[in-house]
Amino acid sequence: GEDVEQSLFLSVREGDSSVINCTYTDSSSTYLYWYKQEPGAGLQLLTYIFSNMDMKQDQRLTVLLNKKDKHLSLRIADTQTGDSAIYFCAESISGGSQGNLIFGKGTKLSVKP
Amino acid sequence: NAGVMQNPRHLVRRRGQEARLRCSPMKGHSHVYWYRQLPEEGLKFMVYLQKENIIDESGMPKERFSAEFPKEGPSILRIQQVVRGDSAAYFCASSPRRDSNTEAFFGQGTRLTVV
Repeated sequence: GEDVEQSLFLSVREGDSSVINCTYTDSSSTYLYWYKQEPGAGLQLLTYIFSNMDMKQDQRLTVLLNKKDKHLSLRIADTQTGDSAIYFCAESISGGSQGNLIFGKGTKLSVKP
Repeated sequence: NAGVMQNPRHLVRRRGQEARLRCSPMKGHSHVYWYRQLPEEGLKFMVYLQKENIIDESGMPKERFSAEFPKEGPSILRIQQVVRGDSAAYFCASSPRRDSNTEAFFGQGTRLTVV
C-alpha cells in the first residue's frame, strides 16, 4: 500500500542549511508536497513538485526529487529560528486531487540560535 | 477572502457523547476533505465530499463516524459515542475542483479531547 517515510527529528544551528528527507512508495504519484505545521496551527503548503521534474527552487527552499529511488528532499538555506516546525512530506495518490494525500509522520525541525 | 474556517478550535467531550466538527470551505470551493491527525502521527485521509455528495469515504471508520456537506452551510464531521481513541486533531481542507493542479487549503483544525 501507499506509505511515506520521514525521519522524525532534525536539529540544526541558525544560519546552517537543513535537509529533510522523505521516501514514498506510489510510483504513479503526480505531485509531491512539503507542508509546514507550527505548534497548534494548521498546515501551510510550502512547495510542491511535479513528478516529471528533478528540482524546484523557491527562494530559500530547494526540492530535489529522485523518482527512480522514490526519494524527495527539502533543503532550507540559511535556516532561521522561525523555521522551527514540523515538516510533512505528502504524495498525491493515483487519480486523486491535491486534497487526497498520503502524509508522512512529519520531521520536527529544531533550530538552535 | 477568508481561508478555510473550522470550529470549534478545541472541543472536549466525555466518553459516549457526540462531537460535531464544522468546516466552512474557502469561498468558491466546492470540494472538502477531512483528515485526522493522531498524536505524534501524520495526517490520515478520512473522507472527500462535494456539495451534497460523498465522493470517497475510504478512510472513514465504519462505525460512529459520518460526514456531510449540504447545499447550504458548512461541512460537518460527526462522531457519535466518542471514545478516548477519538482524541485527535481533525483538519479540513478545501479546493475549487478536483484535479492535480489545484491546491487544497487547510484549516487550522479542531482539537478533540475525549475525557
